[in-house]
Amino acid sequence: AQTVTQSQPEMSVQEAETVTLSCTYDTSESDYYLFWYKQPPSRQMILVIRQEAYKQQNATENRFSVNFQKAAKSFSLKISDSQLGDAAMYFCASRSYNTDKLIFGTGTRLQVFP
Amino acid sequence: NAGVTQTPKFRILKIGQSMTLQCTQDMNHNYMYWYRQDPGMGLKLIYYSVGAGITDKGEVPNGYNVSRSTTEDFPLRLELAAPSQTSVYFCASSRTSGREGAYNEQFFGPGTRLTVL
Repeated sequence: AQTVTQSQPEMSVQEAETVTLSCTYDTSESDYYLFWYKQPPSRQMILVIRQEAYKQQNATENRFSVNFQKAAKSFSLKISDSQLGDAAMYFCASRSYNTDKLIFGTGTRLQVFP
Repeated sequence: NAGVTQTPKFRILKIGQSMTLQCTQDMNHNYMYWYRQDPGMGLKLIYYSVGAGITDKGEVPNGYNVSRSTTEDFPLRLELAAPSQTSVYFCASSRTSGREGAYNEQFFGPGTRLTVL
C-alpha cells in the first residue's frame, strides 16, 4: 500500500524568503507520479507541481521546485521568493501508474509574514 | 468552461437523513472521483468512476453510493447520515489515468461542507 507522510504540520516564512516543505512516501511500485497541491482558504485544490518517478531531473514551475530523492523516497517542495498569496495548506500526494487513486499526506499549513 | 462544479456548498443534516451531493464537469473527462477531507487530514478517496456506467470503491466507501449515468455527472448519495460523515467533500475529474496523457491531472471542485448533527 502507498503512504504519504508530511511531518511538518505548520511552517512559516517571511515574504521574499525561501521555504522548503517536506514529504516522504512509501510505495512498492516502480512507476508512479508525485504531486504537490495547494489548498488556499477558499478550499479549492490547485495543482502546484508534479514529478514522474522515472525522471531524474527535478521539476520546476516558476518559483516552485522540488527535490526528488527516489532512493530516500523523499519529495520536498521549495518555494522561492515567497509571496503573501502562497499562504495555504500544501498537500503532497502520490499515484501509481497502475491505479487511479491519489494518496494524500496530512498537509502542511504555510504562513507567510510581510 | 466552468470546470468541476459541486452543489450545495454547505449542508446540515440530521442523523438518519439522506441527501445527494451533485458533481458536474464540462471538460469531457472520463474519470471522476469523490474524496472526503476530515479536519486536519488529507483527502481520502470514497468512490471513483472510469466512465459512464462504471464505478468502483476507494479507501472509505462505507455509507455512500454513487452512480454514473452520463460522462458529465457523478452524484454521491448518503443514505443514512451519521456524525462520522461530517466532512468536506470534493469531486474531481481527469481526462485519463494510468500512463496515458500528460500526467492525468485531477481537477477539483470547490467542495461541499457537510455537517451531520
